[in-house]
Parts: sequence; structure tokens; C-alpha cells
Amino acid sequence: QQPVQSPQAVILREGEDAVINCSSSKALYSVHWYRQKHGEAPVFLMILLKGGEQKGHEKISASFNEKKQQSSLYLTASQLSYSGTYFCGTRRITDSWGKLQFGAGTQVVVTP
Amino acid sequence: DVKVTQSSRYLVKRTGEKVFLECVQDMDHENMFWYRQDPGLGLRLIYFSYDVKMKEKGDIPEGYSVSREKKERFSLILESASTNQTSMYLCASSTGTSAYEQYFGPGTRLTVT
Repeated sequence: QQPVQSPQAVILREGEDAVINCSSSKALYSVHWYRQKHGEAPVFLMILLKGGEQKGHEKISASFNEKKQQSSLYLTASQLSYSGTYFCGTRRITDSWGKLQFGAGTQVVVTP
Repeated sequence: DVKVTQSSRYLVKRTGEKVFLECVQDMDHENMFWYRQDPGLGLRLIYFSYDVKMKEKGDIPEGYSVSREKKERFSLILESASTNQTSMYLCASSTGTSAYEQYFGPGTRLTVT
């Protein structure tokens, strides 16, 4: 069962903030965030692990609420380069290590 | 820089044909993955491999098989292509198993007519 991402799309002006949410109905071991620009491959942003450890991009922040099985990605002071589709991938505690299930994506458009 | 390459950017095949999609990575990664990407569905895992000749099914393995004879190469095989396999196929590689970053290839847009 894929995680649910919200919102589906968001339009921002440069400098504005946005939050993208990713929710799972199952207990998670980790949440992975990727960004894909149009016509390009997805690029890794961040991993959040059960227990609070974070690995990834210094300029993008995220949180993982283990009680709610929800992660949020924070786009702060957005730049034009933030435009793209953001995907969360979740690894459930009961799954094999290699199984990431991705959400449908959140399209972000940052305008001048 | 990690480089993951896929054999074709665009491919058009006929229903019933056997189709091979090739993926090569140059970073000596143990793990390789095949996903398909469809609008509104995100990326869905087809198969992954954690070593040469080792594989595990993902969420949607039906109609696909894989082969990994060498560490750097991971092939996706559509035994008898069908129109519902028209999609973007993405290959990825990674190292480690606990908290790992996946490096994606540029994708192959497959159209089955």
C-alpha cells in the first residue's frame, strides 16, 4: 500500500514556504525523499530513520512523527530551483530492506 | 559521480514481443532496482537485486523477470509485452541496506502498441 502524499500540487512565489506531507497506515522504519525535475531522474534529498536519525541535504529539512507514521518535508524560503515533483518513499518495518513504496508525488512550482 | 545508464531513452515494441531493458552502473554498488513510473501512481518497485544472481520481487513483478549476471548490470525482461506495460521504466542502484540513497538512471520510455 503506497503512502499518501499531500498536497498533490503547490504553487509558490520565490521566498515563500511550503510543507509536503507523507502518511502511511503501516509502521515505518524509514522515510526517503526524492525530487524529480521534468524529464530528469529522481534525485535523493533525505532519509529519516525510526528513532530520529536524519541523513541528507543540509538545506532541506524534514521531520518524521513515528506516532502518526507521518513525515513532512519543509521547503523554506523557496528558490526557483526547488521546482519539481517531490516523492516520498517509505520502508515499512515488516518489509524487506529493499522495498520502498513511493507516494504519487507532489508537484511544486516556484514562480519569480 | 555515480552514473547509472539505461540502454535506450525511448523504445517502441509490439504486443507479444520479448523486450529487454538494460541498466549499467559504474559505482560498484551491490544493489540494483527496477521501477515503473506512471502518472498519479508514482514509482512502483518491480524487482530488486542485492547481489549477482540474487533477486527479490517488488510490488508488481507480474509479467516481468530480471537477470543479474554481473555486478554492474541489471536487466529487466518483459517476456511477452502487453499494452498495459507501456510506461516509464527507471533503474536505480545503491550501496548498503539500512539507510541508503538510490541513484537513478534517466529512464526508458517504453511504448507497446
